[in-house]
Amino acid sequence: DAGVIQSPRHEVTEMGQEVTLRCKPISGHDYLFWYRQTMMRGLELLIYFNNNVPIDDSGMPEDRFSAKMPNASFSTLKIQPSEPRDSAVYFCASRHYPWGQTGNTEAFFGQGTRLTVV
Amino acid sequence: QKEVEQNSGPLSVPEGAIASLNCTYSDRGSQSFFWYRQYSGKSPELIMFIYSNGDKEDGRFTAQLNKASQYVSLLIRDSQPSDSATYLCAPKSYSSASKIIFGSGTRLSIRP
Repeated sequence: DAGVIQSPRHEVTEMGQEVTLRCKPISGHDYLFWYRQTMMRGLELLIYFNNNVPIDDSGMPEDRFSAKMPNASFSTLKIQPSEPRDSAVYFCASRHYPWGQTGNTEAFFGQGTRLTVV
Repeated sequence: QKEVEQNSGPLSVPEGAIASLNCTYSDRGSQSFFWYRQYSGKSPELIMFIYSNGDKEDGRFTAQLNKASQYVSLLIRDSQPSDSATYLCAPKSYSSASKIIFGSGTRLSIRP
C-alpha cells in the first residue's frame, strides 16, 4: 500500500477563499483522523471518523471548518472562508482498530498539507 | 489540565549520551502509550508502544511506564545526531481508545 495520501502538499490562498484538503487512507483502515499542527498549539485532533461516520468533531475550531468522508477511501477537510490564523500543517492519519484490541494499533500519517492563508 | 503534558524543550544532549524524554498524563484510565518521532518538515512516525508497567526496550530506545505516578518516559541511549527530532507522546485510554491525542512534543537536539 502507498500509505496515507494527502493532496495538495502545499496550498497558498487568499483570505476569504475556500480551501479543500484531501485524504486517501490506507486500504482496510476503519479510522481516519484530521490533525492540525502549529508551533503554538502543537498537534491538535480536529475530527475523526469510524467507518466513514464522524465520531468526534469537538476539536473543529469553528463553523468555518467542515469534514466529510463519503466513502472508505476518501475524506475532505474544508475551510470556508479561510483566515490567516488557519495557516498550519494539516495531517490526515488512518488506523485499523478492532474493538477491544489492546495491542499496538498505531495511526499512520500522511505527508501533510502546508496551508498558508495570506 | 491538559490530557498530556510534555516539556517543549529544546532538550540539548551531547552525542553519545542518554536523552531522557518525559510525559505525564491526567487520565488514570490510560492503558498504553505511543511514542512518535517527527523530523522537521516530516510527518510523525511510531517508534515505541508500551502497554504494561515497567520498561520496554527496542534497540537504543527504552520506554518506561509508571501508571501509579501517571508518568511515561523515553530513553535514547548512545544519542546520535539523527535522533534530533520532536518526540510526541500519546496515551491510549480505555474509555476513548479509538482516538489518539498527542502531547505538544519535546524537541530534542543532539549536539556533536
